[in-house]
Amino acid sequence: EVQLVQSGAEVKKPGESLKISCKGSGYSFTSYWIGWVRQMPGKGLEWMGIIYPGDSDTRYSPSFQGQVTISADKSISTAYLQWSSLKASDTAMYYCARLVTGGDPNGDPIIYFDYWGQGTLVTVSS
Amino acid sequence: EIVMTQSPATLSVSPGERATLSCRASQSVSSNLAWYQQKPGQAPRLLIYGASTRATGIPARFSGSGSGTEFTLTISSLQSEDFAVYYCQQYNNWRFTFGPGTKVDIK
Repeated sequence: EVQLVQSGAEVKKPGESLKISCKGSGYSFTSYWIGWVRQMPGKGLEWMGIIYPGDSDTRYSPSFQGQVTISADKSISTAYLQWSSLKASDTAMYYCARLVTGGDPNGDPIIYFDYWGQGTLVTVSS
Repeated sequence: EIVMTQSPATLSVSPGERATLSCRASQSVSSNLAWYQQKPGQAPRLLIYGASTRATGIPARFSGSGSGTEFTLTISSLQSEDFAVYYCQQYNNWRFTFGPGTKVDIK
């Protein structure tokens, strides 16, 4: 059974650093991209970035480039999302999700997130 | 950047009725469109990928259609467990965009 298990809720102060995790199991962790998605309180889903644990190739949304760092440790099947200096506006639920990459009969890519972690709530408050 | 819009923002439907949700992309995404369901306090759940293919375990009352810039998610006969927020999501050139969501609530 495919599972993505995220680390627990965090309460931090502005300016502090943080690294949250997402551990995959039940599949070949190095063969699928992992994505991170932000959901601010009462709001919709925002894609932050993706990483391929096999070679650590990473792509960021322009909105999050330079604001966060995505990494992975394939030896323990875990992806990470980290901040060096948190802001109050980073308060949100953060989800990891496995990315499936395939193609349709015409050769066009068909790419989607199939399994999601349970989410990690990050609260930043002074 | 491709912008996704969804309509309506809220859809009030009685159990057993049909619900039709729309998603529009600012430029063609071919069939690279997925739909997700999110219930309060839960992670999103994949419903449809490739615009029209149901994900594993998704009931047949959910169907997706469309290509290019216009897409539709139809729930043929709403069950109590279907009241939730629904998001569409596109992929293009290593970028992913979600729509703002449609909340389906009980009429």
